Amino acid sequence: DVKVTQSSRYLVKRTGEKVFLECVQDMDHENMFWYRQDPGLGLRLIYFSYDVKMKEKGDIPEGYSVSREKKERFSLILESASTNQTSMYLCASRRGGRRTGGTEAFFGQGTRLTVV
Amino acid sequence: KQEVTQIPAALSVPEGENLVLNCSFTDSAIYNLQWFRQDPGKGLTSLLLIQSSQREQTSGRLNASLDKSSGRSTLYIAASQPGDSATYLCAVRGPSYGKLTFGQGTILTVHP
Repeated sequence: DVKVTQSSRYLVKRTGEKVFLECVQDMDHENMFWYRQDPGLGLRLIYFSYDVKMKEKGDIPEGYSVSREKKERFSLILESASTNQTSMYLCASRRGGRRTGGTEAFFGQGTRLTVV
Repeated sequence: KQEVTQIPAALSVPEGENLVLNCSFTDSAIYNLQWFRQDPGKGLTSLLLIQSSQREQTSGRLNASLDKSSGRSTLYIAASQPGDSATYLCAVRGPSYGKLTFGQGTILTVHP
């Protein structure tokens, strides 16, 4: 079974802190994604990566950056955490190249981040 | 811009009922559609993936259909059980990169 593991289930950080959310997948997937999920807004794509060191902005990249130094690991970085970044963060991975369709996406267990 | 709508927003049924969850999308140019389950406070569990060329997929008591031309998918759950209680999300994958566009979900409660 594919496993997507997020480093923390719950995090509490202070406003202005730099925050790192880590995600690791064990199936050699090329594509990895970061979403946030908020009540009433659903899941929204923050960033994704289709290869090592490659990244593209999703729908809501402001205030975030990402890093993909190794194929299995995709990190989401909150440069200066703010209270409006309090949310559930979900990492996903999917096999295939940049334009490959048809493969199943797998999600991690989520990180509930609270910024105080 | 792709938009995905799920109806109903919430559903409460007695155990044993067969039920249908609906998903509609505005742009029929999709690669695939995926149904997920989400338990409270948890991540998403993939249930079924339907390719754009397929009409349906089955897994156990679950059956998902896809009518791409009309922009609709349904998830059929047979003989529902209390353990099926969760939020069900559908997501479509469009032609650009790997982005999934999600519906808002249907909250299902199956009571004994």
